[in-house]
Amino acid sequence: GESVGLHLPTLSVQEGDNSIINCAYSNSASDYFIWYKQESGKGPQFIIDIRSNMDKRQGQRVTVLLNKTVKHLSLQIAATQPGDSAVYFCAENIGDSSASKIIFGSGTRLSIRP
Amino acid sequence: EAGVTQFPSHSVIEKGQTVTLRCDPISGHDNLYWYRRVMGKEIKFLLHFVKESKQDESGMPNNRFLAERTGGTYSTLKVQPAELEDSGVYFCASSQIRRGQGNSDTQYFGPGTRLTVL
Repeated sequence: GESVGLHLPTLSVQEGDNSIINCAYSNSASDYFIWYKQESGKGPQFIIDIRSNMDKRQGQRVTVLLNKTVKHLSLQIAATQPGDSAVYFCAENIGDSSASKIIFGSGTRLSIRP
Repeated sequence: EAGVTQFPSHSVIEKGQTVTLRCDPISGHDNLYWYRRVMGKEIKFLLHFVKESKQDESGMPNNRFLAERTGGTYSTLKVQPAELEDSGVYFCASSQIRRGQGNSDTQYFGPGTRLTVL
């Protein structure tokens, strides 16, 4: 069945350090993954996505790595800032543009130590 | 450009009452989705509209939930009668249809409606 899951429910990092949030998925046919950030009182906000034909994608201060062999992906945040405090979800978008839906993992709460 | 908006932001009702949640998608987005997160669980898909048509309602929990999108613009999600287990945060998302690009529709989420059933 469909399943994405995060390894740790919480993660605490020192401000300025890099953060790494890990996620595993179960369906080897999965081909489109998204990372969302949810701040308190807001809805999930798109951060970055990656397709199965790639193993790495970079954005502004964020990098997503996909390892299809072990069905694992990770989100790396460089030079973590207080504004990065949020719950991070890895998610899978299944279907196509006419009938897709997002399967969310359980989320990792990232907290920043000053 | 305005994002996805939802109304109300919070709703507190008693068991057995009716509540209607509203979602206004980003202008021009034909895809509209409803999701919810109940206490301690993941965010779960409820249903998907393409314009005014229900494309996928496989996530709707039971027949107490009714979603509509008359005219293909805003959508409402009615819960009647509400039960205690319906408490949670209901999110709406919208996206554009991108033909020929597979599942490439980036879904933009609203802030959610927090529903509390007492």
